[in-house]
Amino acid sequence: DAGVTQSPTHLIKTRGQQVTLRCSPKSGHDTVSWYQQALGQGPQFIFQYYEEEERQRGNFPDRFSGHQFPNYSSELNVNALLLGDSALYLCASSFPGQGAYEQFFGPGTRLTVL
Amino acid sequence: GESVGLHLPTLSVQEGDNSIINCAYSNSASDYFIWYKQESGKGPQFIIDIRSNMDKRQGQRVTVLLNKTVKHLSLQIAATQPGDSAVYFCAVTDSSYKLIFGSGTRLLVRP
Repeated sequence: DAGVTQSPTHLIKTRGQQVTLRCSPKSGHDTVSWYQQALGQGPQFIFQYYEEEERQRGNFPDRFSGHQFPNYSSELNVNALLLGDSALYLCASSFPGQGAYEQFFGPGTRLTVL
Repeated sequence: GESVGLHLPTLSVQEGDNSIINCAYSNSASDYFIWYKQESGKGPQFIIDIRSNMDKRQGQRVTVLLNKTVKHLSLQIAATQPGDSAVYFCAVTDSSYKLIFGSGTRLLVRP
């Protein structure tokens, strides 16, 4: 049973560019959350997707957007990249109706903005 | 809003000793608490969770204690092993959809 998978593993972009990160949830999970983890910090909640809708959003600007597909996979898009967007981006999934409960994380995508 | 803090950024223990990692939270409405282990270059790995209607829960070599009166959470690891070396995060939620993480404690296990 595959866990949460994310792609790509690493990504290097320059300021002003746009990036798309991808996530496939754990089998049986329908809810996907995205977190940003800066170096030496705990993860910070970006948003959560459920039934292809953004259900809740953290304190991130509109440059951060997402999408959930009918197969429950999800994308995180970041526009107009800033140096401060360099971080590990984590995807977490949970069972139907569980929301924040029992979230399982993927390995993350390391984004470097130059 | 909710905030989560950890008491020590680094904890060094001798292999075979017990480890205790502490966490404090601010929101008394928090109803779910979870500990994650994160090894270098990996995503957080679920260790153990506890709901607010409990004050203790045990897993394999791990115990989580919850003191709602002082809004304190701890993770105890018995017979700490080199493979336990990692950063440990506590996270809380208040029935919303997000987890709020502390800044993490790095556990170093001395041989």
